[in-house]
Amino acid sequence: GDQVEQSPSALSLHEGTGSALRCNFTTTMRAVQWFRKNSRGSLINLFYLASGTKENGRLKSAFDSKERYSTLHIRDAQLEDSGTYFCAADTNAYKVIFGKGTHLHVLP
Amino acid sequence: GGIITQTPKFLIGQEGQKLTLKCQQNFNHDTMYWYRQDSGKGLRLIYYSITENDLQKGDLSEGYDASREKKSSFSLTVTSAQKNEMAVFLCASSWGTISGNTLYFGEGSRLIVV
Repeated sequence: GDQVEQSPSALSLHEGTGSALRCNFTTTMRAVQWFRKNSRGSLINLFYLASGTKENGRLKSAFDSKERYSTLHIRDAQLEDSGTYFCAADTNAYKVIFGKGTHLHVLP
Repeated sequence: GGIITQTPKFLIGQEGQKLTLKCQQNFNHDTMYWYRQDSGKGLRLIYYSITENDLQKGDLSEGYDASREKKSSFSLTVTSAQKNEMAVFLCASSWGTISGNTLYFGEGSRLIVV
């Protein structure tokens, strides 16, 4: 089965609100990375975590290797936050598994 | 099983020089990637390509060019090497596009700028 389960697959938020994306792992991962694919097709790195939490502006991410999950929280969503968000789990030095993505649509 | 081969393993160049790294995969994967790994940091995507002759930017594409000459090969060029360029460059490949897929990585190429 899938080793990285990302949810939800799609999410609509009104501007100014917030929500969380989640990735569950079926096995212990060394680290997790979150990316956003914007409307121009570029894949932007948001966070890399080997443990704990990181915050950057309106985004905050957490990774718990033992409990096998990672989250990405978005607060005060803006229109430019729209795009597809991916988590990617680092299993070992030579393998990274991407989640299936969350399509976020921020509504005015 | 397949393999990803990066050449060279070590690349030494002078500041300002144009330097090229090459990557070959025999998985017959559609998508190939170039990442940069700096000490203590995660992987940062430079470019990826979903098929032959396709190029998509990552968040670190400035200062780099890439070329997907054929399905099995993806090269990365540092257009003007800088001393802070000294990092490990990792090539990866996967079936289809990113969504839900597993990336397989090469062993890395270390760039040293003198």
